[in-house]
Parts: sequence; structure tokens; C-alpha cells
Amino acid sequence: NAGVTQTPKFQVLKTGQSMTLQCAQDMNHEYMSWYRQDPGMGLRLIHYSVGAGITDQGEVPNGYNVSRSTTEDFPLRLLSAAPSQTSVYFCASRQGAPDPQETQYFGPGTRLLVL
Amino acid sequence: GENVEQHPSTLSVQEGDSAVIKCTYSDSASNYFPWYKQELGKRPQLIIDIRSNVGEKKDQRIAVTLNKTAKHFSLHITETQPEDSAVYFCAARRTGYSSASKIIFGSGTRLSIRP
Repeated sequence: NAGVTQTPKFQVLKTGQSMTLQCAQDMNHEYMSWYRQDPGMGLRLIHYSVGAGITDQGEVPNGYNVSRSTTEDFPLRLLSAAPSQTSVYFCASRQGAPDPQETQYFGPGTRLLVL
Repeated sequence: GENVEQHPSTLSVQEGDSAVIKCTYSDSASNYFPWYKQELGKRPQLIIDIRSNVGEKKDQRIAVTLNKTAKHFSLHITETQPEDSAVYFCAARRTGYSSASKIIFGSGTRLSIRP
């Protein structure tokens, strides 16, 4: 298994541009989440999903959209990039029903720089 | 919503000594408390977790304690070694299907082990 994968690894955007951060997992996990990591602020939850077709907002959802059309994929869309969205983005997943496991697996991260 | 506070933000201990990191949470419905370790440039990884029906859990040199009444939990690392140097995050999650993927993290503690 590849686990949780993210693309791209690094991206530079100009203010106002849009882009999609890709996340995929091959472990058949129901639960998936997106976090951003900024110095001194830990990991902040952006959006999360408990299954295909179901998403909800986390702590800092503004400026981001998500969709979950399949169990495997959970893309994060930046609608109009702003310098405040410069961060490292982590996708994570964990097993859900019928036997939920607590261990959450993180992807390798995407480093985003918005100029 | 849930709020997790973590202290200290940085911690330096002599190799062989113990390290303690403390967290408090706000949502009394939270029932699962994981700890993650993140080495420089890498993704966070689960090192230990505890549920609200347990007061203490130990795994070799690492232990976690939980005081549900006071809504705080702590990570204890004994006989610290150079490889323990990393950023440690506490987190909390409440019960319920809709919250199954909503894990809220503290701001992190950078632990340095002095030789």
C-alpha cells in the first residue's frame, strides 16, 4: 500500500490564482481530513469527511472547498489564493465503519507559497 | 467547538532526564486523546493515545495520563534519548459519527534533548 499520498509536494502561486491540492489513500479509509500547519499554531483542521459524499467544516474553512466523490480521493481547492494561505498542508485518513481504528495516517504534506 | 491548549511551546531537557508536556481541552464530550510526534521535515505520526475511560496508559518510555474532571492530559517521556527530539502534538476528539474525523490539535511542543 502507498498509504496517503499528496501532490504536488511544493507549489508557488500568485495572489488570486486557484489550484487543487490532491490527496489519495489506498487503505479504504472512510475518514479523511485536511490540516494546515503554520509555525507556532500546530495543525489546524480545514475540512473533514466521514465518507463519500459527506464533508464538513473544520476550524479554518474559509477560502477552501472540498469534495469527496470517492472513498479514495479528497481534493482541497483554493478558490482565490492569498498570502495568508502560505502554509504546509497535510491530508490524513483513518479507518471507519464497521471497525473504526483510531490511528490517523498523514500524507507527506504539500508546501504552498502564495506571493 | 473544541479548543486544545498545549504547554510548554518549547522544552529542553538533559539526555536521560524526563520530559512532561501538558494539554487542556474545552469540550467535555471529548473522549479520545492522541499524541503525535513530528520529526523535522516529516509527517506527524501517532505515538500513543488514551480514551476517556482510562486514567493512564504506558508504552515503554512513554506514558499518558488523563484527568477527565479537570479536562487535562499529559505526555511523559522517561529516560529521554536524542531521537526523542521532535515536535509533539496533543489532540482531542469527541464521540459521535459526525465527529469521527474531527480531531483538534494543540499548538505543539518542540522538545530538544541536550547531550
